[in-house]
Amino acid sequence: EVQLVESGGGLVQPGGSLRLSCVASGFTVSTKYMSWVRQAPGKGLEWVSVIYTGETTHYAESVKGRFTISRDSSKNTVYLQMDSLRVEDTAVYYCANDRLRGFDLWGQGTLVTVSS
Amino acid sequence: IVMTQSPATLSVSPGDRASLSCRASQSVNSNLAWYQQKPGQAPRLLIYDASTRATGIPARFSGTGSGTDFTLTISSLQSEDFAVYYCHQYHNWPPSDYTFGLGTKLEIK
Repeated sequence: EVQLVESGGGLVQPGGSLRLSCVASGFTVSTKYMSWVRQAPGKGLEWVSVIYTGETTHYAESVKGRFTISRDSSKNTVYLQMDSLRVEDTAVYYCANDRLRGFDLWGQGTLVTVSS
Repeated sequence: IVMTQSPATLSVSPGDRASLSCRASQSVNSNLAWYQQKPGQAPRLLIYDASTRATGIPARFSGTGSGTDFTLTISSLQSEDFAVYYCHQYHNWPPSDYTFGLGTKLEIK
């Protein structure tokens, strides 16, 4: 079965760090464009970051310099390292496959809460 | 590019037809997708390239439009169709230029 499973969310204080994981099954992440998309409570969707089949990465301006996306092909996993977290980073974080014509596969999401 | 969805909430009776609108602040050609999201679930891709149904999406979902004006139509609404719908433009690259609309909540009348 083709699926994505995220983990690593939780409660963290402002200025803290978290690392999210997205484990893929049924396909190889290194052959796909893998993105993170977030959704603040009761709000809409916001694209966060992407890693391409090479090592090219891109970030939303709101997270540039604080978040790092990476991939471990041996574990078929994509990561999002989040540093210097802010209250406004509170959201459900989804990993998703970007086929450049929409996101056609999504994980179930992991909740990140930044609060003191 | 700003994506504006209307209405914010649409009340429709089961079995009726629903039309949801999405307008782009500048042309995105046909580089537009629609998603459905139910409470507590991830979004699901319904339509891409403005009018192509994604795999497994029922034929009652259809997308039209190009340039700046787009419509998602759901004919003969089923109970499972009541959800929030988002449009998403992927016209510009890199993805840091991707934008989503704020969504239309489709509720039972």
